[in-house]
Amino acid sequence: SAVISQKPSRDICQRGTSLTIQCQVDSQVTMMFWYRQQPGQSLTLIATANQGSEATYESGFVIDKFPISRPNLTFSTLTVSNMSPEDSSIYLCSARTGDGYGYTFGSGTRLTVV
Amino acid sequence: QKEVEQNSGPLSVPEGAIASLNCTYSDRGSQSFFWYRQYSGKSPELIMFIYSNGDKEDGRFTAQLNKASQYVSLLIRDSQPSDSATYLCAVKGSYNTDKLIFGTGTRLQVFP
Repeated sequence: SAVISQKPSRDICQRGTSLTIQCQVDSQVTMMFWYRQQPGQSLTLIATANQGSEATYESGFVIDKFPISRPNLTFSTLTVSNMSPEDSSIYLCSARTGDGYGYTFGSGTRLTVV
Repeated sequence: QKEVEQNSGPLSVPEGAIASLNCTYSDRGSQSFFWYRQYSGKSPELIMFIYSNGDKEDGRFTAQLNKASQYVSLLIRDSQPSDSATYLCAVKGSYNTDKLIFGTGTRLQVFP
């Protein structure tokens, strides 16, 4: 299965600032997904990113707050904008790889907003 | 009703026993079903996927799917302390969606 490199692994940010998280896949993938996982909780899908088109956001998530880029088939970024302490969470990217059944995750970004 | 439901646990089993993890889903048209293991502080790791009714075995793991009952389970035979983790059930919905919907996870504790 593919390997996804995600960075940064963690960051502590001031409220009101923005953080961009990057994910690099070692093979071409059609779709990438961005999730948020709050402490002790399951994964909540933020958006689905196709190469060459606008990301599709889930209910409760908007592009102004979580802009996503997908410039090619191996790379995507998620920006958490105008951060508040409520944005403190783990952010994970994922991609559907290989035979189409496997969904692989990046190592995650632990974000703390102070 | 949540789309994917799991008992949060913890489920405690002794070493060597069979651990049984259960998951129900609401979308009858769901196509594929996944079990992920997540250790504390780590990202989810795919254990198995299943898309046909019945059982699918891989080593100590068996996934069972019953689409009529909208139920999928994961059995772990000969449980080891290293199996202690949170197990996440994920469902790929019907039609043209590729996104996975995750359950809340079941925390498994295997004690020596």
